[in-house]
Amino acid sequence: DAKTTQPNSMESNEEEPVHLPCNHSTISGTDYIHWYRQLPSQGPEYVIHGLTSNVNNRMASLAIAEDRKSSTLILHRATLRDAAVYYCILRGSGGSNYKLTFGKGTLLTVNP
Amino acid sequence: NAGVTQTPKFQVLKTGQSMTLQCAQDMNHEYMSWYRQDPGMGLRLIHYSVGAGITDQGEVPNGYNVSRSTTEDFPLRLLSAAPSQTSVYFCASSYAPDRGTEAFFGQGTRLTVV
Repeated sequence: DAKTTQPNSMESNEEEPVHLPCNHSTISGTDYIHWYRQLPSQGPEYVIHGLTSNVNNRMASLAIAEDRKSSTLILHRATLRDAAVYYCILRGSGGSNYKLTFGKGTLLTVNP
Repeated sequence: NAGVTQTPKFQVLKTGQSMTLQCAQDMNHEYMSWYRQDPGMGLRLIHYSVGAGITDQGEVPNGYNVSRSTTEDFPLRLLSAAPSQTSVYFCASSYAPDRGTEAFFGQGTRLTVV
């Protein structure tokens, strides 16, 4: 399975933007880049995913490098509720390749 | 639309006992999977299924059995519980990739084996 590398932890202030990086240098051409987050004592929650182009939704934006070897999850204005572990995951498009393989993620702390 | 429902939420077992963790989804998803999460760790895949009647092993399958007789249900069976199986278990479901790949997770089952 293609691997991702994320910082163990990051810190942000409330109402400021947060940029969470992810490196995935061995990504294949058919791998989607997924982001999930896990709030304390809850199951993971889908945030966003993309293939090649930048993506926006109501929760966040995903910026994908042109060579697709890295990506950045952008929270435009962090709130206390955004404090969570964020997972960057590569998911293939067929057969057993589309299982989700979780790493340790980035623990985001949001300061009031 | 209930999403992914896991039961029970909490369970205490004695070593050697068996039990089944239930997982049900009402979104007609083809793909379902079971993960375990130990303290301070990410989720590790136990078993997964790409459709009714089809299951396969993940990275930590030992001590667990699964079956998928319907699209909706994907139970996880612990054959003979061991303290090393103390963990939080999550079930997830999604469509096959060509129909969208967002995965939905249940709220988890916290299992303690004494």
